[in-house]
Amino acid sequence: DVKVTQSSRYLVKRTGEKVFLECVQDMDHENMFWYRQDPGLGLRLIYFSYDVKMKEKGDIPEGYSVSREKKERFSLILESASTNQTSMYLCASSGGTVYTFGSGTRLTVV
Amino acid sequence: RKEVEQDPGPFNVPEGATVAFNCTYSNSASQSFFWYRQDCRKEPKLLMSVYSSGNEDGRFTAQLNRASQYISLLIRDSKLSDSATYLCVVESGAGSYQLTFGKGTKLSVIP
Repeated sequence: DVKVTQSSRYLVKRTGEKVFLECVQDMDHENMFWYRQDPGLGLRLIYFSYDVKMKEKGDIPEGYSVSREKKERFSLILESASTNQTSMYLCASSGGTVYTFGSGTRLTVV
Repeated sequence: RKEVEQDPGPFNVPEGATVAFNCTYSNSASQSFFWYRQDCRKEPKLLMSVYSSGNEDGRFTAQLNRASQYISLLIRDSKLSDSATYLCVVESGAGSYQLTFGKGTKLSVIP
C-alpha cells in the first residue's frame, strides 16, 4: 500500500523554537506539498516542490521554509515558532493531480 | 484569486436520505476536478474524480458544469458511515498539479 508518512502525530513546541516537520513518501512521486488546516479556513498551501532541491512558495509561506534534498523526503521548517502557527500540518505527494496525504501532524506552540 | 466555494453545512440527514452538495470555482482554466472525503481528525482521501459527462460510483454521483463553473456530489441512500466532511477540489491551473481545496461541507447521517 502506498504511503505518505509524517514523522510525528502530535507535537508541542515553545515559542521561538526551530521546528522540523518531516514527510516521506514511498511512491516515487515528483510532487510534494505542505498544507496547514485550520477550522473555518480549510487547507492552505504553504510550500510545494516538483523536484529534488526545487521549492515554490504557496499561498502562506511566511514564517516557513522547506527542504527537499532527496526525492522521497520533504521537510517543513518553522524557523522561530509562534503561537499563530498552532495548526494541523498535512503533507501530500502526487504523480499528477491525485494527492495522497499523510496522516498529519498536530502542532501546538505554547 | 483562485477560489472554491462550498456551503459549509452542517447537513444533518436521516439514514437512507439523498443529499446533494454543490460547489463553485472561479478559475475557468481548471481542467481537473475532484471530491475528497475527510473524516474527523483524519487526512483527506480521494472520493472520486469529476468529469464533464458525469460519473457514478455506487451510491455517489458527481457532475461538472464547465459553463457555470459548478460541481455537484449526490449521495443516495445515506449510511451512517458517510458522515464526514466533503471537500470540493479543483486543479489550480491546467497542468499545474496544484489543487485548490474548498473549505468542506460537513455531513452527519443520523440513525
